[in-house]
Amino acid sequence: GIQVEQSPPDLILQEGANSTLRCNFSDSVNNLQWFHQNPWGQLINLFYIPSGTKQNGRLSATTVATERYSLLYISSSQTTDSGVYFCAVDKGNQFYFGTGTSLTVIP
Amino acid sequence: ETGVTQSPTHLIKTRGQQVTLRCSSQSGHNTVSWYQQALGQGPQFIFQYYREEENGRGNFPPRFSGLQFPNYSSELNVNALELDDSALYLCASSLDPGEKLFFGSGTQLSVL
Repeated sequence: GIQVEQSPPDLILQEGANSTLRCNFSDSVNNLQWFHQNPWGQLINLFYIPSGTKQNGRLSATTVATERYSLLYISSSQTTDSGVYFCAVDKGNQFYFGTGTSLTVIP
Repeated sequence: ETGVTQSPTHLIKTRGQQVTLRCSSQSGHNTVSWYQQALGQGPQFIFQYYREEENGRGNFPPRFSGLQFPNYSSELNVNALELDDSALYLCASSLDPGEKLFFGSGTQLSVL
């Protein structure tokens, strides 16, 4: 199967700071998605981004499929951004989730 | 438009028992996938159903089985429960295979 690694594993930010989360994957994939899991376990889809760059408010994501990585940018972080961020890739009707980045934003 | 709903939210079973978890897909979605998430880990893909047929499966034993119904809702069945089956079970639906995933709130299963 495909290996999906995320970095950093843990991140603590002051409210208002910016951050970059990285997702590396070991093989070509059909698509890539970013999710935020809140403290209650709910997974929210942030981006469906097999390639290129997308923006949604304070969040943006870039996937460079040829180099097998994706980046998630969080600007002006808020306490509600706390939680775990996962990337997930899809290849051949198989889904592989990354190891996650646990983000804590402190006021 | 209703989102993805799962039931029950919590469940306690004993080792060796069987369990059925249910998932209603988002309106208009014909694809459902199931995941197991152990504490502190990322979700692990169990299988995917598309138009009532299994069309992808992860590395899980045959005692994990599923169904998808004509209305595209789905069930996950686990036989001969083991202690390691204790986890959060998540269901996701999408318009078609490979499209954007929308997750339910999950079922927390505890096996004693």
